[in-house]
Amino acid sequence: QKEVEQDPGPLSVPEGAIVSLNCTYSNSAFQYFMWYRQYSRKGPELLMYTYSSGNKEDGRFTAQVDKSSKYISLFIRDSQPSDSATYLCATGFQKLVFGTGTRLLVSP
Amino acid sequence: ETGVTQTPRHLVMGMTNKKSLKCEQHLGHNAMYWYKQSAKKPLELMFVYNFKEQTENNSVPSRFSPECPNSSHLFLHLHTLQPEDSALYLCASSQALAGEETQYFGPGTRLLVL
Repeated sequence: QKEVEQDPGPLSVPEGAIVSLNCTYSNSAFQYFMWYRQYSRKGPELLMYTYSSGNKEDGRFTAQVDKSSKYISLFIRDSQPSDSATYLCATGFQKLVFGTGTRLLVSP
Repeated sequence: ETGVTQTPRHLVMGMTNKKSLKCEQHLGHNAMYWYKQSAKKPLELMFVYNFKEQTENNSVPSRFSPECPNSSHLFLHLHTLQPEDSALYLCASSQALAGEETQYFGPGTRLLVL
């Protein structure tokens, strides 16, 4: 079993849609959870960082962690074509474990 | 320069060549990392350095040799690589031990081994 599972997509949505991206993880000891956005031919860029369970909101982005089900989510409201990228979930401390990434395509 | 920079951005090398990748962070961080990103695979952590000391080697073949002369610079020396080593090599840095582990990535070096 992979430590972090993530659907590779692609996920195609129209502009303005609400996007839900999800990951599951296997190690219940993980406390820190991150979402990175990676545009083509660029390095990953940190989007959201959460500690333990709960929600965290930043503009159009909301990160949600449910430790009881080992499930992490990223919601994007009012999605824009500029949100088209690969979204990587990660967990751990220093020795980060990443999902494979979900490719998101937002069409105008 | 700001953030994390990497050079070169692209590299093509033969299996008998020796080359080096360079990473520099301008964030005042105390930890640096090398990752490998291959198509359709998760980012793989290769090495971790804390305060210039290597604290993690994730079973990386010896043909990859890291060097961290100070907290701002990190190198990855490459020799006798294999075609399957072709990938995007990413450097990252963080202010570890501060209670919040946020890693910042460079743009990567895209490596092609022929």
